[in-house]
Amino acid sequence: DVKVTQSSRYLVKRTGEKVFLECVQDMDHENMFWYRQDPGLGLRLIYFSYDVKMKEKGDIPEGYSVSREKKERFSLILESASTNQTSMYLCASGRNMNTEAFFGQGTRLTVV
Amino acid sequence: DQQVKQNSPSLSVQEGRISILNCDYTNSMFDYFLWYKKYPAEGPTFLISISSIKDKNEDGRFTVFLNKSAKHLSLHIVPSQPGDSAVYFCAASANTGTASKLTFGTGTRLQVTL
Repeated sequence: DVKVTQSSRYLVKRTGEKVFLECVQDMDHENMFWYRQDPGLGLRLIYFSYDVKMKEKGDIPEGYSVSREKKERFSLILESASTNQTSMYLCASGRNMNTEAFFGQGTRLTVV
Repeated sequence: DQQVKQNSPSLSVQEGRISILNCDYTNSMFDYFLWYKKYPAEGPTFLISISSIKDKNEDGRFTVFLNKSAKHLSLHIVPSQPGDSAVYFCAASANTGTASKLTFGTGTRLQVTL
């Protein structure tokens, strides 16, 4: 059974904190993605990676960075958390960039 | 610029009836389309997909129809069951270029009532 695991289900952080969201996949997929989901806005792509140490900006990269040091792990970093980054964060992986992606269970981040 | 649009934020259907969820897209480069289902506090799960070389794909109670000339796709669920109550996202992608990653719509919340 395919699996994408996000390190936390719920997180509460203070404004200005550096936040790390971790994601691990066990499917040997080349491609990994970070999305955020907000009401009325759907899933928006923050960053993606098509190989180890490779990363590309998605549609809303401002305020975020990513790290992919190993194939199975893709981290999302909020350099200085702000309240407008309160959201559901979803990690996904896929064999191809443009076909079926498998999602983790999501991390509900609240920045206070 | 919303390239994939789901104009109905919510839909309520009686158990046993047909649910029809709609999705429109604007990018003519899109050639692969997917539907995902999402329960609260869970990640989206893949439901069904269709390539632009087809106009219909069926999997059990789920059928996706693609109308390329209208840039429109729809997901039919027959018969609808209470467990189908969830948010449904359509997504689209192209084979190459800048649109070669999944672009999602805003979602439609389906409620199946008893």
